Amino acid sequence: SQQGEEDPQALSIQEGENATMNCSYKTSINNLQWYRQNSGRGLVHLILIRSNEREKHSGRLRVTLDTSKKSSSLLITASRAADTASYFCATSHGEDSWGKLQFGAGTQVVVTP
Amino acid sequence: DGGITQSPKYLFRKEGQNVTLSCEQNLNHDAMYWYRQDPGQGLRLIYYSQIVNDFQKGDIAEGYSVSREKKESFPLTVTSAQKNPTAFYLCASSRRRELSDYEQYFGPGTRLTVT
Repeated sequence: SQQGEEDPQALSIQEGENATMNCSYKTSINNLQWYRQNSGRGLVHLILIRSNEREKHSGRLRVTLDTSKKSSSLLITASRAADTASYFCATSHGEDSWGKLQFGAGTQVVVTP
Repeated sequence: DGGITQSPKYLFRKEGQNVTLSCEQNLNHDAMYWYRQDPGQGLRLIYYSQIVNDFQKGDIAEGYSVSREKKESFPLTVTSAQKNPTAFYLCASSRRRELSDYEQYFGPGTRLTVT
């Protein structure tokens, strides 16, 4: 069963603009992760935020987590054409999850030059 | 050159045939996973393995089987019992850590088409 739901489903922006996408989940988490997938490829891990953290940065990426609202957001600043990809949030639940993740359906981002 | 390899990249089979997808990792990871991805959708967990000679069913295990005889290898067999096998299959692995920080490393995927 899928936990994360991304919003919007698709996003089209121009180079240099910021891209924001959101993820909501249903039950309490150990951590929330964001992954990127280029068309027809495997997923690449971007960033992990633990349940006791509120914000995390990695380069042009900023992730926030609001456990009271069961939601997270991923912000990509100063987007580039190379950021064109699908972005997925994934959540880890339970004490013995052993790395099991629940993935959302993803946000498809297109960055035009 | 460390990572996860999946072969083949594209696979075509006739309905009623079993097919095995390969997944190998040289990252010395304990855990390995198989996911299925359908167009425009997220990943759904088929099977996962925490340690050699042990594996657990995921959310959609029916019609699939796996083995974990070696730490490096986690092959997935799509059997003829799988009603809708055409999909993109992704293998992943992760380290075991003290805390539940399990980022997963993914292979390039195998696109299976069954006609």
